[in-house]
Amino acid sequence: SQQGEEDPQALSIQEGENATMNCSYKTSINNLQWYRQNSGRGLVHLILIRSNEREKHSGRLRVTLDTSKKSSSLLITASRAADTASYFCATDAVETSGSRLTFGEGTQLTVNP
Amino acid sequence: NAGVTQTPKFQVLKTGQSMTLQCAQDMNHNSMYWYRQDPGMGLRLIYYSASEGTTDKGEVPNGYNVSRLNKREFSLRLESAAPSQTSVYFCATHPLVAETQYFGPGTRLLVL
Repeated sequence: SQQGEEDPQALSIQEGENATMNCSYKTSINNLQWYRQNSGRGLVHLILIRSNEREKHSGRLRVTLDTSKKSSSLLITASRAADTASYFCATDAVETSGSRLTFGEGTQLTVNP
Repeated sequence: NAGVTQTPKFQVLKTGQSMTLQCAQDMNHNSMYWYRQDPGMGLRLIYYSASEGTTDKGEVPNGYNVSRLNKREFSLRLESAAPSQTSVYFCATHPLVAETQYFGPGTRLLVL
């Protein structure tokens, strides 16, 4: 079964608005990662947050991690039409430490011009 | 520097046919992975190879075999394809010390 579950499954917003996606997971983790997938393409790494971090920023991306709730959120600020893609969280679980990632089912983000 | 390459890009098979999906990387990464992605779904791990000479089962290994030919190449074989194996297959690599995985462009497989 999937370790991560994203919420919402789909999100449609207007250009310039912020987009927030959430990820919940089940086991203890070393880190949590967010990936982006454009239609018909492979996944591209966006940002990684370690279990001892609570918040991380990269450009217009902001990721938070709450290990007590086993959840993370990805915020994309001032969205652009080019941000339209699927976004996946992936966890590096302590029990498999570094050898594999477990992916969630993704959030499909549509940014309307 | 091509990164992770996969061949073929597209393939149509009949039930019962066999085929091998190829993956190669030029980043000198130790670990390599095969995932499948079904429509509207996340990625599920089929097999992985933590280093040259080792392979391990992932979440959905049934119906597949793998070979880590050398450090660069990791192939996935379907011995007798079934319609349930219709999917997009992604290869990924992972350097020894960093946590990020790097993905290939995918192989779209249709089994009739």
